[in-house]
Parts: sequence; structure tokens; C-alpha cells
Amino acid sequence: EPEVTQTPSHQVTQMGQEVILRCVPISNHLYFYWYRQILGQKVEFLVSFYNNEISEKSEIFDDQFSVERPDGSNFTLKIRSTKLEDSAMYFCASRDSGGAGNEQFFGPGTRLTVL
Amino acid sequence: DAKTTQPPSMDCAEGRAANLPCNHSTISGNEYVYWYRQIHSQGPQYIIHGLKNNETNEMASLIITEDRKSSTLILPHATLRDTAVYYCIVRVKTSGSRLTFGEGTQLTVNP
Repeated sequence: EPEVTQTPSHQVTQMGQEVILRCVPISNHLYFYWYRQILGQKVEFLVSFYNNEISEKSEIFDDQFSVERPDGSNFTLKIRSTKLEDSAMYFCASRDSGGAGNEQFFGPGTRLTVL
Repeated sequence: DAKTTQPPSMDCAEGRAANLPCNHSTISGNEYVYWYRQIHSQGPQYIIHGLKNNETNEMASLIITEDRKSSTLILPHATLRDTAVYYCIVRVKTSGSRLTFGEGTQLTVNP
């Protein structure tokens, strides 16, 4: 069964450093998402991406964040200058172009720890 | 998206049916009910969705009341691996839209 994959599973970085989280969505999907979950809190939407551009972003997704689909398979989230409060699980999700509904398929997540 | 209300926690015995309720009294006519679950720090997993008819798939059944103001997710034979946080999300079925997760219900399946 096709699945969303994410690398690395755990990333440790120093405050102020740049990090890139990588995702490989399901191959025929066209909509891509990033969510995050701070330990003990709710899953929060960050950004959605379609047709090579951001279609929606939350107030969390400020100028420190960017997303890119550099090739036909990867979808990346970049945090330019990490802060302590960026420590969280980051989930990538994807969905196809429509049909049955708004089922988004999530990856296993990347745990980001900012020291 | 309409607001949903779920109990914070529930217990269920292994092998028995788990019935998870969700209230969505302000749901509008074009909003669907979606259920996702999250098993301890894993990525959320889609379970099922419906508009007004009851739905069943290999994972669960979804019962929506006639007035659509509440629904129940049924896991017919709960196993220990069904222990998770279950999220009821009400939203319009449009492409590309965000999912807004609430607190959900922590279901604990006991041996």
C-alpha cells in the first residue's frame, strides 16, 4: 500500500540553525500539507501546497518557514532560523485530486528538537 | 468549519464494540463528518467520512443522526492496537482544505 514517507525521523539542531524536513508524498497525489504537533498539544495546520504554489497557510507559517517541491517526488519544509518553540513533531500529508473526499494521508513524522 | 464536541476519554474492553460519540450541532448542509485517529505520536490516520447516510468500511462504521447534529464512530471489535486519540472533524468537502484537529477522544482498549 502506498504511503507518505518522511526523513529524518529525528532531527536535533541548535537554535538559529536552518533545518530542512523532507517528505515523499504518495506518487499520484497533487495536494501536499505540513502540520506540526508540539508535545502534548493538538495537531496544527501549517501550510498546503498545490500546483507548485502555497494554497493556504496558517498564522504559524511566518517568514521563517518555506516549502518547496524541488522535483517530482520530494516536498520539503525549511525553517530558516530555528527557535526553541519550533521543537515539535512535523507531519507531512498528501491527498489526491478529488473523488471520494478530503482524506489526507499522513507520514510518520519528523521529531525536531531545537536546543 | 462547524465546532465539534467529544468526550476527552473512553475505555473499552478488547473484543467489544467501541462507540465514540461526537456532537456537531452547528453543522451545515454541505459539511461532512470525518474521523481520524492518532496512535501515540504517529501521523494521524484517516478512518471514515460521511454526509448523512451511515457508512461502513473495513475499519469502522459511522452512524449519523437524522438531524445530523451528532454522530458515532463504531469500532465493532476493538483490539489493543485501536488505543489512540480519535478526532471528529466537520468540514466542507472541498479540495485542498486544511484539517482542523481538536482535542479528540483518547480511547483506551483494555485486555
